[in-house]
Amino acid sequence: KAGVTQTPRYLIKTRGQQVTLSCSPISGHRSVSWYQQTPGQGLQFLFEYFSETQRNKGNFPGRFSGRQFSNSRSEMNVSTLELGDSALYLCASSTLSEIGYTFGSGTRLTVV
Amino acid sequence: GIQVEQSPPDLILQEGANSTLRCNFSDSVNNLQWFHQNPWGQLINLFYIPSGTKQNGRLSATTVATERYSLLYISSSQTTDSGVYFCAGMTGNQFYFGTGTSLTVIP
Repeated sequence: KAGVTQTPRYLIKTRGQQVTLSCSPISGHRSVSWYQQTPGQGLQFLFEYFSETQRNKGNFPGRFSGRQFSNSRSEMNVSTLELGDSALYLCASSTLSEIGYTFGSGTRLTVV
Repeated sequence: GIQVEQSPPDLILQEGANSTLRCNFSDSVNNLQWFHQNPWGQLINLFYIPSGTKQNGRLSATTVATERYSLLYISSSQTTDSGVYFCAGMTGNQFYFGTGTSLTVIP
């Protein structure tokens, strides 16, 4: 079966712009989570959605937002981009919460 | 939040050698997984192992939930095992990741 699909794979944006990243979970998976990976901070939790409801949010500023659609696909948006937002953004999905998550290949965002 | 300590941070092995990676958690977790991050950044799931022992080929993992630690064993290492290994514990629908073990296997 198809894995977790993240688009785009690579993105270059200018400081101050906004960006939207997309994640299509494995078919039948209803829980979708987002993580940011940077060399300095490692892997950090952004938010988790289950059946279109955000159940948990990490310690990130309000510029970071997300949503989940009825087909479980999820998007995350970052507004007013800063240089420090340059990172690998990873999405993960699972059938049930807290059981066996599968990660996508990530979106590598560079802010210049 | 939960603190996750991974050791060792770096490991260099000769091909064919065995190794043990360790993960300690500051509190109990409901889900525990080991991942291998490939050169393109994807986290490849190795084990979902909240407790007990599992084996998959040359890899095996053991989690002692009561003592809040997990071990990943790599036997007869190959150059393709190189990369960064992460353990992650989940509670409240959120993974807490360790800082990773960077493994280099030399021929």
